[in-house]
Amino acid sequence: KQEVTQIPAALSVPEGENLVLNCSFTDSAIYNLQWFRQDPGKGLTSLLLIQSSQREQTSGRLNASLDKSSGRSTLYIAASQPGDSATYLCAVKSGGSNYKLTFGKGTLLTVNP
Amino acid sequence: GAGVSQSPSNKVTEKGKDVELRCDPISGHTALYWYRQSLGQGLEFLIYFQGNSAPDKSGLPSDRFSAERTGGSVSTLTIQRTQQEDSAVYLCASSLVEKRTEAFFGQGTRLTVV
Repeated sequence: KQEVTQIPAALSVPEGENLVLNCSFTDSAIYNLQWFRQDPGKGLTSLLLIQSSQREQTSGRLNASLDKSSGRSTLYIAASQPGDSATYLCAVKSGGSNYKLTFGKGTLLTVNP
Repeated sequence: GAGVSQSPSNKVTEKGKDVELRCDPISGHTALYWYRQSLGQGLEFLIYFQGNSAPDKSGLPSDRFSAERTGGSVSTLTIQRTQQEDSAVYLCASSLVEKRTEAFFGQGTRLTVV
């Protein structure tokens, strides 16, 4: 059974700081890994999708890496801004033909002005 | 539509009543997921539809929960005889059925059972 863990559960940083969020998964037989952002009371917004054959993906100030063999992914946020404050979730797609998404519990990020 | 649409956005119901939650996936997306997010908890998988294949119902928490998908598009999640522990945000996502594709989520339905 796939399990996804995100560390830390919460993180508070001053504006402008670079930061790293961590995601680990127990079964390396994944199709892809997706990072999402969730604002309070809202749905999930997709940030980055990394295929199992890729090592990293970049979008603006965000960079996500994937080490499938060790079951780890990191989300790097450069020059953080108060608007980055949200919960960040990672999810892996695996499970044979059912392509089930398994989520971590998320990291609550607060960027202080 | 441009994205995944869920309705209603909020629902308050009395304990014991039945509720129906609706999800309109992105046009052309044949894979559809339902998840539940309880206060302070992670996303809990409920059910997965893939094209015309039998759905994966392994996440449904009890027989009070059921879901259907008509015509391979709109999906309805039904909760019968609601209980207070059913209070949560119910999220729907869709994707192309191919395994390497991205999943897109709706804004969710916040269900409160009083």
